[in-house]
Amino acid sequence: NAGVTQTPKFQVLKTGQSMTLQCAQDMNHNSMYWYRQDPGMGLRLIYYSASEGTTDKGEVPNGYNVSRLNKREFSLRLESAAPSQTSVYFCASSGHVPFSIFQEPQHFGDGTRLSIL
Amino acid sequence: DAKTTQPPSMDCAEGRAANLPCNHSTISGNEYVYWYRQIHSQGPQYIIHGLKNNETNEMASLIITEDRKSSTLILPHATLRDTAVYYCIVQSNFGNEKLTFGTGTRLTIIP
Repeated sequence: NAGVTQTPKFQVLKTGQSMTLQCAQDMNHNSMYWYRQDPGMGLRLIYYSASEGTTDKGEVPNGYNVSRLNKREFSLRLESAAPSQTSVYFCASSGHVPFSIFQEPQHFGDGTRLSIL
Repeated sequence: DAKTTQPPSMDCAEGRAANLPCNHSTISGNEYVYWYRQIHSQGPQYIIHGLKNNETNEMASLIITEDRKSSTLILPHATLRDTAVYYCIVQSNFGNEKLTFGTGTRLTIIP
């Protein structure tokens, strides 16, 4: 029972390089999310996807793009990495309470630690 | 604007009950109180949530005051593995609400 799987776990990039962070969930959840966490701070939402084929901006979307490839996968892309994007990136997913419009709690992956030099 | 206020840090002796407070004086009628924790930079882990009644599960208990302006997360018999940052979050679970994390309470369990 894998839950939410993120790859890679660690990555070092040079300024200006591009990178795609991968996220997959096996819980048949409709909603998926990307957060970043900077040292000593809480998580901040970058983008989210309420369902396959839809994406919306969160609190800090600048410098990122996302793709909801299918129901299982939600990728985050840095087109031109900057040192300010050095952070730990977490992917999460959540489903609906059966027969209702209400969301279940979010499940998180173990994160991708990204350093940009 | 922060929706919740938590103490930045707390200590608790191993085996004792850990009581983590949270103030959420501006909570609205359709918002739930959620608790997550983050152990040593792992991904956050859901603990419990509630609307107005007290809740208990295998991990913890949640006590919400009658006016819903504050709550307390109780870990009944804290172990060293409960050392983590605990986040109290208020949000509606209607539709596709996103979690807004503050800086949480860093709980240290002391042997």
